[in-house]
Formats: sequence, C-alpha cells, structure tokens
Amino acid sequence: AQSVTQLDSHVSVSEGTPVLLRCNYSSSYSPSLFWYVQHPNKGLQLLLKYTSAATLVKGINGFEAEFKKSETSFHLTKPSAHMSDAAEYFCVPNAGGTSYGKLTFGQGTILTVHP
Amino acid sequence: DGGITQSPKYLFRKEGQNVTLSCEQNLNHDAMYWYRQDPGQGLRLIYYSQIVNDFQKGDIAEGYSVSREKKESFPLTVTSAQKNPTAFYLCASRPFPGQVNEKLFFGSGTQLSVL
Repeated sequence: AQSVTQLDSHVSVSEGTPVLLRCNYSSSYSPSLFWYVQHPNKGLQLLLKYTSAATLVKGINGFEAEFKKSETSFHLTKPSAHMSDAAEYFCVPNAGGTSYGKLTFGQGTILTVHP
Repeated sequence: DGGITQSPKYLFRKEGQNVTLSCEQNLNHDAMYWYRQDPGQGLRLIYYSQIVNDFQKGDIAEGYSVSREKKESFPLTVTSAQKNPTAFYLCASRPFPGQVNEKLFFGSGTQLSVL
C-alpha cells in the first residue's frame, strides 16, 4: 500500500524567511513524486517533479525539493518566501513509479506569508 | 487547442437522483482521473483509468461509478448511494510517465450541489 503524509496542515512564515513544507510517503518501491500548488480560487499548478533522476529537484518560482529514500521524504523548500507564495501545497506520490498508477494527493499544507 | 473539458460547470442533484459529470480530453492521454475537492480536505481520488475499458477504484469510490469506453471520455456518475455529494469535482488526464511534459492536466471542474 502507498500513502502520503504532509506533516503540517498550516505553515506561517514572514516574507524573506525560508519555507519548509514537509512530505513523507510510504511505499514498497521508489515512486515518482510531485508537488502541486493551488492559489486561492485558482487551478492546480505543477511546481516540480521527481522521476528517479537527480534527487534534488528544482521547480518554478524558486522552489526545490530533495528526495531522500532513507527517510521516505520529499520536503519542499524555498530560501526566501514571497507574499505571492501564499497558497495551498500538495505532495503527490505516484504508486506506479515509472508507470501509470494511483495518484493520491496529500492532505495539503496552507502556507501563509506575513509582511 | 488541446485540453480537458468538463461539463456542466454547475450541477444540481435532487434527492434519489443519479447525475453524470462529463469529462472529455483531446490530448491523447491514456490515463484519466476523477478527484473530489472539499474545503479543508484537499483532493481525494474517486476513480482512475489507465487504459480504455479499464478503471480502478480510488480512495472514496463508494457511491460513484465510471466508464471508459473511449480514450477521450471518462464520465463520472454520482449515484443516489452517495449521501454527501456536494463538492467540487475535478477531472484530470496524464501523459505516459517519464515524458518531459509529465504532469496532470486538469479540467475546470464541476460544482455539484444538492437541492
């Protein structure tokens, strides 16, 4: 069985400070992993994806994530938060690995950025 | 233009009624997915299909049914057995994993409400 846990339902940071959004997955095999973002009243946008190439993945808007198999983690980070980063973020592991499979979204983490 | 079309945008269901949400894509994707989005609960997977004439249950399939008779179409029926159908429903499709453009392509959604 495969599952995903986003460890924080809400994260609050000040503008200009680092962002850390945590994601742990459980799987019997190495998955492919995605991070999606949803801004208020907007559709879902792909931030970045890991597909068994480099373990450090760079995405859009300065975000990056590191795949750590030993910790079964795929945490999302950004060195300096911007007001426009305020949104809900979803971690999505693919149980199918390099094939199609069940795409289960994490519970989501709401990021609030204070001036 | 290629994309995913969901219809209708708004749908109302009466007590004991079955309703069908349409999802059509012209992206030539094999895999298609149905998600339900409730406030504060992220996206939950209802059903998914990896190929024509085949589909699998997601995490909350009870009270829903699907069919996949054509590659382009993946309609979702919300049956009278679904006791809490009010939600925003998103359809998505996906190219084969490993491609450069691999991500979920989402429709614009259908808001279902109970009369």
